Amino acid sequence: DVKVTQSSRYLVKRTGEKVFLECVQDMDHENMFWYRQDPGLGLRLIYFSYDVKMKEKGDIPEGYSVSREKKERFSLILESASTNQTSMYLCASQTGNQPQHFGDGTRLSIL
Amino acid sequence: AQSVTQPDIHITVSEGASLELRCNYSYGATPYLFWYVQSPGQGLQLLLKYFSGDTLVQGIKGFEAEFKRSQSSFNLRKPSVHWSDAAEYFCAVRFYSGGYQKVTFGTGTKLQVIP
Repeated sequence: DVKVTQSSRYLVKRTGEKVFLECVQDMDHENMFWYRQDPGLGLRLIYFSYDVKMKEKGDIPEGYSVSREKKERFSLILESASTNQTSMYLCASQTGNQPQHFGDGTRLSIL
Repeated sequence: AQSVTQPDIHITVSEGASLELRCNYSYGATPYLFWYVQSPGQGLQLLLKYFSGDTLVQGIKGFEAEFKRSQSSFNLRKPSVHWSDAAEYFCAVRFYSGGYQKVTFGTGTKLQVIP
């Protein structure tokens, strides 16, 4: 079974901090995704990656960047955290025509 | 543009009653469609998917969904709801944009089950 692991379930940071959210998958999937989930808005795509060192902007990339140095790991970076980035962040991986598999999410609070 | 609409934000059903969650999509080509479930504090778990073929698809936990091209719908059903089905449900459509696969999610339907 596919395992997508997000390093933290809960995270509290302060405004202006640089924040790293880590995601690791164990199924050699080439595609990985970062979403944020807010009540009433569903999931919105922040960034995605289809290969190592490759990244593409999703629908709401502003204020975020990503890193994919190894195939199994996809990191989301908040360059200078702001309170409007308080949210649930979900990582997913996928291959071929298969569905996306999700991690358990990181609930991030920016104070 | 591709979109997914789940018109019901919140639904309450009695345990043992039948359930139907609505999903309408907008996509010009043949859609790949999904239903996911999210329990509180968890990630999304795939319930079922439709790629092609039989328009009635069976999923896990006793759920099924029917693809109706003429209505651009992919409604989720369960004949008898259990208390453990209380969760949020998301419909999603996969499409190609700029040569890449992307997925658009609906805004979700929160299901409450009462005894």
